Amino acid sequence: QVQLVQSGAEVRSPGASVKVSCKASGYTFTDYYIHWVRQAPGQGLEWMGWIHPNSGGTKFAQKFQGRLTLTRDTSINTSYMDLTRLRLDDTALYYCARELVAGLDFWGQGTLVTVSS
Amino acid sequence: VVLTQSPGTLSLSPGERATLSCRASHNINSNYLAWYQQKPGQAPRLLIYGASSRATGIPDRFSGSGSKTDFTLTISRLEAEDFAVYSCQQYGSLPYTFGQGTKLEIK
Repeated sequence: QVQLVQSGAEVRSPGASVKVSCKASGYTFTDYYIHWVRQAPGQGLEWMGWIHPNSGGTKFAQKFQGRLTLTRDTSINTSYMDLTRLRLDDTALYYCARELVAGLDFWGQGTLVTVSS
Repeated sequence: VVLTQSPGTLSLSPGERATLSCRASHNINSNYLAWYQQKPGQAPRLLIYGASSRATGIPDRFSGSGSKTDFTLTISRLEAEDFAVYSCQQYGSLPYTFGQGTKLEIK
């Protein structure tokens, strides 16, 4: 069965960086985009960007340009989200999800990133 | 593309019909509009893609309709497990934006 399993919760100080992983199983990793979506406490969903694991190509929301890096390791079917220069308002639950022009059909369990001084 | 969902909160009883709206600031390319259900402590679940196609395993009481800038999610007869937050998302043009969500609560 399709699964996306994310790394565990992280706590960081303002200005630091965080890297979250998303390991895929149950399907061909290189066939589907991997998107990253975050949700601040009590707020709605916010799309951050995607990576295509086959090519490594990426697209980002403008507000994350320069701070967000998406990478992948096809040998272990894992995608990574690296967010730098963290701010207090980056505190959120970060999700990965897969997509193939038909919505985000499978999601990871979410990784809580807390930015606190 | 900014997506505006209405109402913000919808209070209904089991067995009733729910109609949720998602309005886009610009035409959505190829009707690339999806609906998600999210319950507390859970990841979102895909319900509808392409504006009107049900995702795998989604009951037929859920239906999506609309085109260009106006889209609707309808739940024909509410069941207890349907009370949740519903969000729309467009994936026709970058950035792939979400609406702010509609909370469907038990009356």
